[in-house]
Amino acid sequence: RKEVEQDPGPFNVPEGATVAFNCTYSNSASQSFFWYRQDCRKEPKLLMSVYSSGNEDGRFTAQLNRASQYISLLIRDSKLSDSATYLCVVKAGFQKLVFGTGTRLLVSP
Amino acid sequence: DGGITQSPKYLFRKEGQNVTLSCEQNLNHDAMYWYRQDPGQGLRLIYYSQIVNDFQKGDIAEGYSVSREKKESFPLTVTSAQKNPTAFYLCASSIQWGTNEKLFFGSGTQLSVL
Repeated sequence: RKEVEQDPGPFNVPEGATVAFNCTYSNSASQSFFWYRQDCRKEPKLLMSVYSSGNEDGRFTAQLNRASQYISLLIRDSKLSDSATYLCVVKAGFQKLVFGTGTRLLVSP
Repeated sequence: DGGITQSPKYLFRKEGQNVTLSCEQNLNHDAMYWYRQDPGQGLRLIYYSQIVNDFQKGDIAEGYSVSREKKESFPLTVTSAQKNPTAFYLCASSIQWGTNEKLFFGSGTQLSVL
């Protein structure tokens, strides 16, 4: 089983739609969780950290479910500019970061 | 502006040749990293450095070498021993190893084999 698993997609949604991605992790000792955004052949950029209580940043909401060992990212009112690959990243303590393979999102007019 | 600079953007390697990818940061970060990204795969850690003059192997270090003689610089050499070097290489830094601080990435180098 992979340490971090994501549905590769693509998720095809129209502008204005709400879309959600999940990411499962296998290490129950994982303590830090992040969502990164990566445009095609560009560097990943931190979108948001994921906190235990859940957190929101504008149209983006991140949730953590420790019992089921997954994190989620919800995007409301999708924009064309949201089209990208979303990487789930997990870290256990002082260990290295583990990156998921990414979920591709395509927002169409 | 502070950031991480990778060069070159594109690099071609002939069989049997060693090539070096440059990574420079002016963020005053202690930790630096090299990742490899292949289509359909997550980023995989090649080498990392927690502090100047120190570096550690990551998950896929075979066929690669690094140095960290200066805090700002963490060059990666892809040696002829790396039989499948075609990939997108990303350099990153963070304030410290082992903290919750985010990674800052360079813009990447696409390496291809001639």
